Amino acid sequence: QSVLTQSPSASGTPGQTVTISCSGSTSNIGKNYVYWYQHFPGTAPRLLIYRSDQRPSGLPDRFSASKSGTSASLVITGLRSGDEADYYCATWDDSLSGAVFGGGTKLTVL
Amino acid sequence: QLYLVESGGGLVKPRGSLRLSCAGSGFTFRDYYMSWIRQAPGKGLEWISRISNSDDKMYYADSVKGRFTISRDNAKNSLYLQMNSLRPEDTAIYYCVKDRHYDSRGDLFHYWGQGTPVTVSS
Repeated sequence: QSVLTQSPSASGTPGQTVTISCSGSTSNIGKNYVYWYQHFPGTAPRLLIYRSDQRPSGLPDRFSASKSGTSASLVITGLRSGDEADYYCATWDDSLSGAVFGGGTKLTVL
Repeated sequence: QLYLVESGGGLVKPRGSLRLSCAGSGFTFRDYYMSWIRQAPGKGLEWISRISNSDDKMYYADSVKGRFTISRDNAKNSLYLQMNSLRPEDTAIYYCVKDRHYDSRGDLFHYWGQGTPVTVSS
């Protein structure tokens, strides 16, 4: 059982927009930055979003994110087959004094 | 170019020990917190430990507290994870991760190594 809650799966067709949500609590998302990662099995996870809504340099602006209260969302526009991967949210939890992840959302591009 | 290269993974029997290492380059290692994160087969990502840049603060997930010890050697740009009393549920790919800059409270993981596999089985 993950501290942050994500839907296990999401899907869309090429060109569509997909939203992946992440729900937490006042001790984690409510107080700290949210990070988003893209993970292709067998490779190193890749940073997509830092400080809740910031994109690393070089990342396409098809990826965006926001945070409100104890929830966060990742939005992928102009969906491509290459976006098919697992997506994780993460943050620090002040009560646990540790980092916490969502359970991951498997994105399928139909 | 930033690199994090893990080593030391392998097959170990239950209740055995293993020491993972991670060599960092391409950034000022001594200025960054570092973490270990793992992914068990078929499961999601799990943060297990963090160490401050100056080696004076360590944090552990409950799942490994008392069994694993994180350490670093800034002179060698290296991070370590000593894993004792290993259990089958510790089987996972272990990632070395560049964590927050000492001066950027609230930041998390910006760069991950490729990972090293650990299998705990008799």
